[in-house]
Amino acid sequence: KNEVEQSPQNLTAQEGEFITINCSYSVGISALHWLQQHPGGGIVSLFMLSSGKKKHGRLIATINIQEKHSSLHITASHPRDSAVYICAVPDSGGGADGLTFGKGTHLIIQP
Amino acid sequence: NAGVTQTPKFRVLKTGQSMTLLCAQDMNHEYMYWYRQDPGMGLRLIHYSVGEGTTAKGEVPDGYNVSRLKKQNFLLGLESAAPSQTSVYFCASNEQGPTYQPQHFGDGTRLSIL
Repeated sequence: KNEVEQSPQNLTAQEGEFITINCSYSVGISALHWLQQHPGGGIVSLFMLSSGKKKHGRLIATINIQEKHSSLHITASHPRDSAVYICAVPDSGGGADGLTFGKGTHLIIQP
Repeated sequence: NAGVTQTPKFRVLKTGQSMTLLCAQDMNHEYMYWYRQDPGMGLRLIHYSVGEGTTAKGEVPDGYNVSRLKKQNFLLGLESAAPSQTSVYFCASNEQGPTYQPQHFGDGTRLSIL
């Protein structure tokens, strides 16, 4: 079973700061997911990536397959970015099993 | 577009009672999943289904049963609720499994067992 570690667990920053959240995993994978959980509890998928970098608006996700590491960056952070960000990988490295999740990074952006 | 809908949103049960959580998706997805989320822990997979009529155990299946009689619905049952099953339950779905596609999540069901 893959072990997923996220850092930091909690992060408080000022509006406008550049944010980095890190994720490492123990077993090689073919894809990694980044999700956002809103303060109200809903979960949405932000990115699924298997190599390189993806960008969506102010969010950027990168992955280094050899180092088993991924990062989520937020540029020009805003209070509405306050949420829990969760990294997840497929359970068995492939196939139909569900996801193994990190414990999440609780991000607060202060005005 | 409804996406993934979970009912109920909140429920309080007494120890020993039974109940069923319903997950419905309108995206014609083959794969459906039930997760639980507890404080200080990541989401954990309870059971999943790769298509109508199929179910399989995940990481924490004990005390739960599931059924997928119709492709769009995935039911999670608690036969005899225990306080350890107090949690927030999330249903998710996708078409081709977690390696190939993001999962779509419901809004969650907050369940308290007294």
